[in-house]
Amino acid sequence: GENVEQHPSTLSVQEGDSAVIKCTYSDSASNYFPWYKQELGKGPQLIIDIRSNVGEKKDQRIAVTLNKTAKHFSLHITETQPEDSAVYFCAASSTGTASKLTFGTGTRLQVTL
Amino acid sequence: GAGVSQSPSNKVTEKGKDVELRCDPISGHTALYWYRQSLGQGLEFLIYFQGNSAPDKSGLPSDRFSAERTGGSVSTLTIQRTQQEDSAVYLCASSLGNSPPTEAFFGQGTRLTVV
Repeated sequence: GENVEQHPSTLSVQEGDSAVIKCTYSDSASNYFPWYKQELGKGPQLIIDIRSNVGEKKDQRIAVTLNKTAKHFSLHITETQPEDSAVYFCAASSTGTASKLTFGTGTRLQVTL
Repeated sequence: GAGVSQSPSNKVTEKGKDVELRCDPISGHTALYWYRQSLGQGLEFLIYFQGNSAPDKSGLPSDRFSAERTGGSVSTLTIQRTQQEDSAVYLCASSLGNSPPTEAFFGQGTRLTVV
């Protein structure tokens, strides 16, 4: 089955700086890579996703890049703000009824003033 | 519209008792997941339902854990003879399925405390 590794486990940045979280996956059939943000006491929420037919996707201050050859994908947050502080999870999935969403272990991001 | 609904939001139970946790997925979503999250930890996969296919139970930690999904909609996660190590937040998520893969929507979770 799929295995997703995520680094770093914790990340502290100053407000206004950029944050980068990296994930690797093992199953070359994976073609969908979402990123979730979990705030304290809440369930994870999707913030951005990318499919295997593109290499990069941006949404305002958030971008995701995908390198299928290396089986790497990364989340980039620019101009970080205190409200970006949360736990971020990457995930991977492939097409097919037997395929399930497999999550990384999470990154706790702290944006300091 | 309505999101994924989980009940109860909090449950305190005595060690050795059975508990049932309920998940109401988004209408029309064929895929349903259960995850467990211990304090400050990641998402531990428990079980996955997809349409009429046999569920993927590979994440259930012991035979004290079981789950059903009736009529392709509501799901119940049952923990028998609860132990203190079962204390965690249990999260349910649903999606339109994996052909192709789509966004999973999470509920707010049930916080289970075994005393």
